Amino acid sequence: EAGVAQSPRYKIIEKRQSVAFWCNPISGHATLYWYQQILGQGPKLLIQFQNNGVVDDSQLPKDRFSAERLKGVDSTLKIQPAKLEDSAVYLCASSGGASGGARETQYFGPGTRLLVL
Amino acid sequence: QKEVEQDPGPLSVPEGAIVSLNCTYSNSAFQYFMWYRQYSRKGPELLMYTYSSGNKEDGRFTAQVDKSSKYISLFIRDSQPSDSATYLCAIKGTSYGKLTFGQGTILTVHP
Repeated sequence: EAGVAQSPRYKIIEKRQSVAFWCNPISGHATLYWYQQILGQGPKLLIQFQNNGVVDDSQLPKDRFSAERLKGVDSTLKIQPAKLEDSAVYLCASSGGASGGARETQYFGPGTRLLVL
Repeated sequence: QKEVEQDPGPLSVPEGAIVSLNCTYSNSAFQYFMWYRQYSRKGPELLMYTYSSGNKEDGRFTAQVDKSSKYISLFIRDSQPSDSATYLCAIKGTSYGKLTFGQGTILTVHP
């Protein structure tokens, strides 16, 4: 079974530029998550999708971050404009089943490392 | 107060040592407790998962949960250099699978 795929793996941009990250979850997984992991910290949930719909985006800085999940499969996370404090690893995860219940395991991709200069 | 606090380490131990990793949490509503391992430049992978107080063993790993104290631990017996990684505790809330992570502990096992 193929894992969660993410691209690009690395990205360096200057502040105020825009950037987009792509995630392809495990086939058949209904729930998709985007996390931000700042160096020395644990991942922080930015947004959770259940199929096409947003379940939780309470920690997404909506003035600069946006995310979409078209057709309930792939997802894109965008930052516009980027700030220095956005430098982090952006992790995508997915879990199976329509209910998104508490017992389901989240499988993580390798992440995209973003450096904002 | 953070929802999940994890001993930051880092920890450096000799091969064969017993390792103890610890987290505390503040919300008694949390029901599901996990430990993830994250190798350098990789995503976290699930190591252990439990939803009740007590111990759960899987090979060299034992997860311990004390809900009365809001305290969780991961023990690694006979540690190996391949165990060198960052260990993250994570707790699930009561709905929708949202994970709240500790800040992680960097473990190095030297031969």
